[in-house]
Amino acid sequence: AQKVTQAQTEISVVEKEDVTLDCVYETRDTTYYLFWYKQPPSGELVFLIRRNSFDEQNEISGRYSWNFQKSTSSFNFTITASQVVDSAVYFCALSEAGNMLTFGGGTRLMVKP
Amino acid sequence: NAGVTQTPKFRILKIGQSMTLQCTQDMNHNYMYWYRQDPGMGLKLIYYSVGAGITDKGEVPNGYNVSRSTTEDFPLRLELAAPSQTSVYFCASSYSPTKGEGYTFGSGTRLTVV
Repeated sequence: AQKVTQAQTEISVVEKEDVTLDCVYETRDTTYYLFWYKQPPSGELVFLIRRNSFDEQNEISGRYSWNFQKSTSSFNFTITASQVVDSAVYFCALSEAGNMLTFGGGTRLMVKP
Repeated sequence: NAGVTQTPKFRILKIGQSMTLQCTQDMNHNYMYWYRQDPGMGLKLIYYSVGAGITDKGEVPNGYNVSRSTTEDFPLRLELAAPSQTSVYFCASSYSPTKGEGYTFGSGTRLTVV
C-alpha cells in the first residue's frame, strides 16, 4: 500500500528565510509519481510539480526547488527567500502507476513579515 | 476551458437529509475522483471512476454513493447526512494517471451537517 508522511504539521518562518518541507513516501511499485500541491487560505488546490520515479534530477523553478532521493524515499520541497504569499498548506502526494493519488497530511507554512 | 466544476460551493444540511454534490469536467478525462478533506487534515479518497459506467471504492466510501453515466459527470450522493460528513469535498479528474498525467481539481464544496 502507498503512504505519504509529512512529519512537519506546522512551520513558522520570518519573511526572506529559506524553508524546507519534508515528504517521505512508501510504495512497493518501481513506477510511481510524486506531486506537490499548494492550498492557499482560499482553499483551492494548486499544482506545483510532478516527478516520476525514474527521474531523480532535482528541479528548480524560481524560488522553489525540489530534492528527490529514492535512496531515502524522500521528495523534499524548499522555498528560498520566503514571502508572505507563500503562507499556505502544502501537500505531498504519491500515485502508483494505474492508481489514485494518496496525500500526506499536509504542512501548514506561516510566513511572517 | 472550465476544467472541473463543482456545485454547490457551500451547503448546510440537517442530520438525516440527503443531497448530491455535482462534478463536471470538460476535458474528456476518463478518470475522476472524489476526495474529502477534514479540518486540518489531508485529502482522503472516497470513490473513483476509470470511465463511464465504472466506479470503485476508495479509502472512505461509507455513507456515500456515486454514479458515472457520462464521461463528463461524476456526482456524489449522501443519503443520510451525519455530522461526521462535515468536510470539504474535492472532485478531480485525470487523463492518464498511469502515465503520471496531472490531476485537475475542482474548487471544492464545503459541507456542514448540523
